Amino acid sequence: NAGVTQTPKFQVLKTGQSMTLQCAQDMNHNSMYWYRQDPGMGLRLIYYSASEGTTDKGEVPNGYNVSRLNKREFSLRLESAAPSQTSVYFCASDPSGGGRQDEKLFFGSGTQLSVL
Amino acid sequence: RKEVEQDPGPFNVPEGATVAFNCTYSNSASQSFFWYRQDCRKEPKLLMSVYSSGNEDGRFTAQLNRASQYISLLIRDSKLSDSATYLCVVFYNNNDMRFGAGTRLTVKP
Repeated sequence: NAGVTQTPKFQVLKTGQSMTLQCAQDMNHNSMYWYRQDPGMGLRLIYYSASEGTTDKGEVPNGYNVSRLNKREFSLRLESAAPSQTSVYFCASDPSGGGRQDEKLFFGSGTQLSVL
Repeated sequence: RKEVEQDPGPFNVPEGATVAFNCTYSNSASQSFFWYRQDCRKEPKLLMSVYSSGNEDGRFTAQLNRASQYISLLIRDSKLSDSATYLCVVFYNNNDMRFGAGTRLTVKP
């Protein structure tokens, strides 16, 4: 059972380049998320998708776009990368997104992105 | 002011020690509370949910104080394998989970 699969694991970009981070889950979850984690800042929500066909901005959406391609896949795109987007990115999913105490977030293994 | 605040540590304790972490949150409308554990360069994983009445899972005890808007995690009889960063997580509504920056724990032999 793969859980949440996230690619790539590492990426180095030059300022202005574009790229897409891929995420897929095989648990039939409705909700999917993209977070970034910076030292001393904790994880911050970039975008989320409460269900197939819907996406919404999180805390730090500027400079990013997302696509919920189907129930399994949720991609994050950087159109014109900037050094401020150097971070560790995590994709996550959960069954309902309702914050129920008996549910948990399942995370991918992360993408270390450096923008030079 | 951050929405979820934690003492960053690091906490360096000997094996067998008891250690406690606190977390405060600013939004009184918060609905659900969690502690996640994150090992170095790995993804976060749920350690335990925090229930209003407090709850225990083996050596770990979580408490919630809604009036004072803080959450605590107590680890008894610390093991080397407990070394990690502990993340306080607060759920508001509509998929909005807020993470603290984490408290780093190192358990030494």
